[in-house]
Amino acid sequence: SQQGEEDPQALSIQEGENATMNCSYKTSINNLQWYRQNSGRGLVHLILIRSNEREKHSGRLRVTLDTSKKSSSLLITASRAADTASYFCATDAQGTYKYIFGTGTRLKVLA
Amino acid sequence: DTGVSQDPRHKITKRGQNVTFRCDPISEHNRLYWYRQTLGQGPEFLTYFQNEAQLEKSRLLSDRFSAERPKGSFSTLEIQRTEQGDSAMYLCASSLITGELFFGEGSRLTVL
Repeated sequence: SQQGEEDPQALSIQEGENATMNCSYKTSINNLQWYRQNSGRGLVHLILIRSNEREKHSGRLRVTLDTSKKSSSLLITASRAADTASYFCATDAQGTYKYIFGTGTRLKVLA
Repeated sequence: DTGVSQDPRHKITKRGQNVTFRCDPISEHNRLYWYRQTLGQGPEFLTYFQNEAQLEKSRLLSDRFSAERPKGSFSTLEIQRTEQGDSAMYLCASSLITGELFFGEGSRLTVL
């Protein structure tokens, strides 16, 4: 079963716009991670946020975490056509190192 | 290349045959994970190792699936008596204690 659920399932935006995708999860966690996957390829780690952190930045990425609502959001600013990919959140159940992935958001950035 | 490597990249087999996939993690990583992914879905957890110890195996896995990590280095995932429903991408990832997973490019299985 999936621990996380991303929303929306698909998102289409113009180059230069911001893209926001959300992740909800079910159990207490140690940390939450976001990954990107280009079609037919392996996943690439983007950012990790720990349960005691509320916001984290990396380049054009901003991640927030609300443990009271068991949710996270990933914001990609000034999107580029190369950002077209599927994005997944992954969470570990507290006390384990078992990472469970969500269903993903398929982002399409139009040039 | 010092990343995670998986072999073979593609495997086509007939229903009922056994298949084995190999994963070579990044050398200093002590954790190794196997996931299965079908088209349009997120990676589905199968099992993970810390060094040579298999710490958890998904209840979704039937007895036809087995994974090993001898000496805490490379890992193999074997599927016995393959079924068409086993067709998927099998992903391997490794990590240090920090938790960031490094994925290989996957092994795509097609069962005819």
